[in-house]
Amino acid sequence: AQRVTQPEKLLSVFKGAPVELKCNYSYSGSPELFWYVQYSRQRLQLLLRHISRESIKGFTADLNKGETSFHLKKPFAQEEDSAMYYCALFNQGGKLIFGQGTELSVKP
Amino acid sequence: GAGVSQSPSNKVTEKGKDVELRCDPISGHTALYWYRQSLGQGLEFLIYFQGNSAPDKSGLPSDRFSAERTGGSVSTLTIQRTQQEDSAVYLCASSPVSGGSNEQFFGPGTRLTVL
Repeated sequence: AQRVTQPEKLLSVFKGAPVELKCNYSYSGSPELFWYVQYSRQRLQLLLRHISRESIKGFTADLNKGETSFHLKKPFAQEEDSAMYYCALFNQGGKLIFGQGTELSVKP
Repeated sequence: GAGVSQSPSNKVTEKGKDVELRCDPISGHTALYWYRQSLGQGLEFLIYFQGNSAPDKSGLPSDRFSAERTGGSVSTLTIQRTQQEDSAVYLCASSPVSGGSNEQFFGPGTRLTVL
């Protein structure tokens, strides 16, 4: 079965603390994974994708095929990082399969 | 350039009525998707159009839901005999697909409230 799991509904950290949003996937093929973010009152937008191996707004995510994980990390959280984060898997049928989402709250 | 647009932004309807939600994708994008975003449910795939191929309707929750895409551009999602559990934000996304990009660009959504 193709599935994306984000175990935490809400993650609350203080400004300057490290943050890790967990994402695990189940997929038989070679996965293409994304992180999407939705800031308050804004539309859902792409944050980063694993094939680019890029760092966006200080966030990185490494695909670990052994652990079937694609956790999103940032060493020092900022208040403006507060948002809803969705991990997503692109399957060969052309669809994005989303996780349930994790709400990140960064407190001052 | 213009992004994905959706209309209306908000729709309040009475149980049992039919509603139509519209999506204008980014010009030139061949793929178009509909998702439903419910509180606590994450993003649920509904339907996917790719070029002239038959749509993937595997995510539609019941036969009250249907969608069409005219001329390979604008899409309409129709919900017949709405129920209270249909209340959600309905998101549309489009993707260029070509060039190996599978990034999806999302619209602002239509918030549907069924009373």
